[in-house]
Amino acid sequence: QQQVRQSPQSLTVWEGETAILNCSYENSAFDYFPWYQQFPGEGPALLIAIRSVSDKKEDGRFTIFFNKREKKLSLHITDSQPGDSATYFCAASESYGNEKITFGAGTKLTIKP
Amino acid sequence: NAGVIQTPRHKVTGKGQEATLWCEPISGHSAVFWYRQTIVQGLEFLTYFRNQAPIDDSGMPKERFSAQMPNQSHSTLKIQSTQPQDSAVYLCASSSYRDSGNTLYFGEGSRLIVV
Repeated sequence: QQQVRQSPQSLTVWEGETAILNCSYENSAFDYFPWYQQFPGEGPALLIAIRSVSDKKEDGRFTIFFNKREKKLSLHITDSQPGDSATYFCAASESYGNEKITFGAGTKLTIKP
Repeated sequence: NAGVIQTPRHKVTGKGQEATLWCEPISGHSAVFWYRQTIVQGLEFLTYFRNQAPIDDSGMPKERFSAQMPNQSHSTLKIQSTQPQDSAVYLCASSSYRDSGNTLYFGEGSRLIVV
């Protein structure tokens, strides 16, 4: 079963709008949640990450909102730019013990100019 | 600083043949991870090493897949008797304890096509 779920599968927004990507998880032991960005032909690269002790993490136009009780998080991309068009993966891992990172299926984001 | 290097970038192999993929992690990184990426399954974890020791191979199809890390500068993923369903992009990543949180640095991947 998928331990990390993402929605929507694909999303199209206009340049300048806010894109919202959703993620949920099942394993209560997960306490570190990175988001990775992947462009075609490249490997994924870390975009922003949050630990479960926080409910919000901001980095420029990218913000993670985290709800531990509901096991949900979301990535908000404000003032979307065509260069943000990529696939975004929500991921999760435990801080201690197994370092394996479990990825969601990804959201393909397209920004229309 | 060079990133994670994967070779070959593309490989076409006939059904039943063997395929070996190589990964050179970032110098100084102590962990190496292998993932498989397909449209249908997304990013699937295969296995990882820390300080060259295998830690978790729970994602590896046991019969035909094997991974090794003979030294700190490279790891290999070997697929025996390849099948069409093995066609995928195989991604290698490395990480370091020095990072805050477990940040994976991915290579560009090796695209395997089994015909």
